Amino acid sequence: EPEVTQTPSHQVTQMGQEVILRCVPISNHLYFYWYRQILGQKVEFLVSFYNNEISEKSEIFDDQFSVERPDGSNFTLKIRSTKLEDSAMYFCASSLASGGANEQFFGPGTRLTVL
Amino acid sequence: GNSVTQMEGPVTLSEEAFLTINCTYTATGYPSLFWYVQYPGEGLQLLLKATKADDKGSNKGFEATYRKETTSFHLEKGSVQVSDSAVYFCALRRKGNAGNMLTFGGGTRLMVKP
Repeated sequence: EPEVTQTPSHQVTQMGQEVILRCVPISNHLYFYWYRQILGQKVEFLVSFYNNEISEKSEIFDDQFSVERPDGSNFTLKIRSTKLEDSAMYFCASSLASGGANEQFFGPGTRLTVL
Repeated sequence: GNSVTQMEGPVTLSEEAFLTINCTYTATGYPSLFWYVQYPGEGLQLLLKATKADDKGSNKGFEATYRKETTSFHLEKGSVQVSDSAVYFCALRRKGNAGNMLTFGGGTRLMVKP
């Protein structure tokens, strides 16, 4: 069964460093998403991406964040200068289409720890 | 704005007990509603969904009915198993061209003891 994969499973970084979280969505999916979950809190939407551009983003997704689909298979989330409060589990998701009840398939997550 | 509220856990049950996890929502219009489950060390998996009022989603013995009048989507299972131990998330998504983002509740951890 096709699945969304994410690497690394755990990333530790120093405050102020750049990190890139990687995701490989399901191959025929067209819509891609990042969510995050700070420990003990809700899963929060960050950004959605379609046709090589951001289609929607939340207020969390500020100028420190960017997304890219560099090669037609990977979907990356970059945090330019990490802060302590960026420590969270980051989930990538993909869906075949938009609207209706089209299912978003989630990856296992990357745990980011900022020291 | 949209929001989802679900009962806080952990919920601890014995095997074969009846499960209810409450979920209520606030949204403009009539969103689609979902329950996701997260097993230890894994990502979120869609458990069931409902797209309009009075729809009942069901999967693996779990059920939830979209109640517009009470803005609720409570998750139920008649007889839980140890393997159901996980974190359960209620979520909504606005319909149409209003965007694809899911809005999640805080999650409820279920622990089932043998």
